[in-house]
Amino acid sequence: DGGITQSPKYLFRKEGQNVTLSCEQNLNHDAMYWYRQDPGQGLRLIYYSQIVNDFQKGDIAEGYSVSREKKESFPLTVTSAQKNPTAFYLCASSGQGRERELFFGEGSRLTVL
Amino acid sequence: GEDVEQSLFLSVREGDSSVINCTYTDSSSTYLYWYKQEPGAGLQLLTYIFSNMDMKQDQRLTVLLNKKDKHLSLRIADTQTGDSAIYFCAESYNQGGKLIFGQGTELSVKP
Repeated sequence: DGGITQSPKYLFRKEGQNVTLSCEQNLNHDAMYWYRQDPGQGLRLIYYSQIVNDFQKGDIAEGYSVSREKKESFPLTVTSAQKNPTAFYLCASSGQGRERELFFGEGSRLTVL
Repeated sequence: GEDVEQSLFLSVREGDSSVINCTYTDSSSTYLYWYKQEPGAGLQLLTYIFSNMDMKQDQRLTVLLNKKDKHLSLRIADTQTGDSAIYFCAESYNQGGKLIFGQGTELSVKP
């Protein structure tokens, strides 16, 4: 079945460590997105990519990095520069349909110890 | 800038109707969306409405759009305990396909 797979589902990190969250999709979508979710704040856009080898900063890109070397993959690295990284991270993709529906992965919960 | 606002909590009795409200600021939005999030999971699209529509009905779901007041609502008829979740309103605000999400409304359905 087509969908978006995020891994790992749970991740623990010590302060000062970089971690990479994986996002893979087999929906043949061009656009992919990373959102951060905190309680009571909804979803905030970190980075997005509309095509391979190109990506743009979202509203809260500081302390994060991404790459888009393949259409199917859009990994997110949470660097040690991110001051408050504990959150739920959601990856999404969208196709060319007019309504631009976002398809979401199941999320990755990062906890900094 | 663009902003989407929702109340954070709503509690209803099983069998009642639920109405979740949302206000947005960007009058040029093309589509407005309602997403549902189960605990610990990603979001799933429930329904969407094109900006030139006033109402859209899909089984138990009714979406009302008031463009003049920039107000969107989602009505769930005959609410069930399985409807307990967080509901997000979202708008598309430019050609890039990016969405702006509200804070989410946590719906609690009591038996």
